[in-house]
Amino acid sequence: KAGVTQTPRYLIKTRGQQVTLSCSPISGHRSVSWYQQTPGQGLQFLFEYFSETQRNKGNFPGRFSGRQFSNSRSEMNVSTLELGDSALYLCASSTDYLNEQYFGPGTRLTVT
Amino acid sequence: GQQLNQSPQSMFIQEGEDVSMNCTSSSIFNTWLWYKQDPGEGPVLLIALYKAGELTSNGRLTAQFGITRKDSFLNISASIPSDVGIYFCAGRIQGAQKLVFGQGTRLTINP
Repeated sequence: KAGVTQTPRYLIKTRGQQVTLSCSPISGHRSVSWYQQTPGQGLQFLFEYFSETQRNKGNFPGRFSGRQFSNSRSEMNVSTLELGDSALYLCASSTDYLNEQYFGPGTRLTVT
Repeated sequence: GQQLNQSPQSMFIQEGEDVSMNCTSSSIFNTWLWYKQDPGEGPVLLIALYKAGELTSNGRLTAQFGITRKDSFLNISASIPSDVGIYFCAGRIQGAQKLVFGQGTRLTINP
């Protein structure tokens, strides 16, 4: 079974721009969670989608948003990028949010 | 706020040594997960634990769900160079609909 895939793997953006990241979960997994990982803050939970609905949300500003499609693929959008948004963005899929989560390789976002 | 304390934050060991790390909390957990992350990659699930006292092995790795349900331990026996990386614990707090992650233990192996 193929693992979680994320595209793109690397991205460089300028402050004020917006960005969209994509995640394809493991086949059969309906829950997709997004995390931000930085050296100083560790893994921070952004939100979780299940069957196209956002069920859980972390403490991030409204500039961070996401959606999930009927095939369980998910996208995450960050608008009005700030330097502090530079991070590794990870998505994880599972059969349900609180079950074992399997991570993708991440998207490394650099904001200049 | 921080709900999981993972220690140690970093370890420097010699190849062949055994490694121990743990995660503790003041909350009661229903699930413990242990992950390993290599540089530039996403965390890989190593072991999942679901019952207090449960002891589970994955090759040279052994993890235990503490009997108080407030802690978990990961041991690596006879470390090898490919064990280098950051190890994370994660857990589901009883009654809470979320997973919480530890800050990670960075393992370095001296040749």
